[in-house]
Amino acid sequence: DSGVTQTPKHLITATGQRVTLRCSPRSGDLSVYWYQQSLDQGLQFLIQYYNGEERAKGNILERFSAQQFPDLHSELNLSSLELGDSALYFCASSTQDYNEQFFGPGTRLTVL
Amino acid sequence: AQSVTQPDIHITVSEGASLELRCNYSYGATPYLFWYVQSPGQGLQLLLKYFSGDTLVQGIKGFEAEFKRSQSSFNLRKPSVHWSDAAEYFCAVGAYSGAGSYQLTFGKGTKLSVIP
Repeated sequence: DSGVTQTPKHLITATGQRVTLRCSPRSGDLSVYWYQQSLDQGLQFLIQYYNGEERAKGNILERFSAQQFPDLHSELNLSSLELGDSALYFCASSTQDYNEQFFGPGTRLTVL
Repeated sequence: AQSVTQPDIHITVSEGASLELRCNYSYGATPYLFWYVQSPGQGLQLLLKYFSGDTLVQGIKGFEAEFKRSQSSFNLRKPSVHWSDAAEYFCAVGAYSGAGSYQLTFGKGTKLSVIP
């Protein structure tokens, strides 16, 4: 157990819908990262937050957004969902930038 | 921009045999290097990391990796594989990009199958 929690574990929805994925980092970790894992793209970095502020952006679509709240939990919002958004979404946390990242169990999103 | 190449998509070894998974990275400065393992339906677990110093690093579950700057490689090794090692292995490089941001870039992964 990494100490990073993600909810829900599975999510099934329809095209055009909007969903919210939630992540609670390890106690004491200020940085939260979101990744998307799909068969064709592999593991792709989406976005990083550090202590409530956006720090880095990767290959995140404009339909996707995230935020980190004062209690340091983070949410990833996916809207206008398409079939191609079906993937595993991982959250990770770390104490500092260059330290190792600890990954949560992931949320499997299926868009029908 | 940084990149990671794992040349082997799938490797099959017999239980008890030795293992080496290859990883090559591209990055202009000294990288931070990681190996993660992902079991089916699970998240990623850190096996080991290299930041600086001794180029041979030891990790959990009997794994080790060697950083070779001249070859831009960070290969993962284990002297004797156990059936429970069957999983997918990801090499990653951590690097600073524009505007002071830091991110991990992962390879495509190597799936390891173990024959009893």
